[in-house]
Amino acid sequence: AQKITQTQPGMFVQEKEAVTLDCTYDTSDPSYGLFWYKQPSSGEMIFLIYQGSYDQQNATEGRYSLNFQKARKSANLVISASQLGDSAMYFCAMREADTGGFKTIFGAGTRLFVKA
Amino acid sequence: GAGVSQSPSNKVTEKGKDVELRCDPISGHTALYWYRQSLGQGLEFLIYFQGNSAPDKSGLPSDRFSAERTGGSVSTLTIQRTQQEDSAVYLCASSYKLGAGELFFGEGSRLTVL
Repeated sequence: AQKITQTQPGMFVQEKEAVTLDCTYDTSDPSYGLFWYKQPSSGEMIFLIYQGSYDQQNATEGRYSLNFQKARKSANLVISASQLGDSAMYFCAMREADTGGFKTIFGAGTRLFVKA
Repeated sequence: GAGVSQSPSNKVTEKGKDVELRCDPISGHTALYWYRQSLGQGLEFLIYFQGNSAPDKSGLPSDRFSAERTGGSVSTLTIQRTQQEDSAVYLCASSYKLGAGELFFGEGSRLTVL
């Protein structure tokens, strides 16, 4: 079964508008971490934001915020005031306990296109 | 260097040959991870190391794949008898310890098997 689900293969947003990228996850571990990474066309993976399962408040980092709905197992990324440079692939990831340690697994990604 | 370093950045090989991909993590990072990313796809988890040990090898696609880490630093991913379906970008990442902090990624090794 999919542990991380990103249902939007591609998204379009007008420059300066906000956009929400969806992510749902599945885990039975009460302690886990949720991450969003950006991968521009150059290929590097860039960490954006982190939310711990016990964090009471939604994480924010500049124009990025994570809409964490624990009961729904949802961790959507909100990008405010989109910029042309935000065009990239976005991956949701979850870290959970694994045999002898921790594993971080990734969703299939959402490609975001920002229109001028 | 300051970041995760991977080599080679590009490797073209013939089907049936063995290849070695190298990852040098950020100094002081005890956890190291290997992922595979096929063209336009997400990241497929392969293996992680805490120090020199790899508790979970279940992500390796077949017994042609192996990985080791020595001295708690550099890691090598070896693919024996390469097949065309092994063509992908192999990404290495490190974190300062397992279960904490974000992953810092290298720029990847692009493998093409002809």
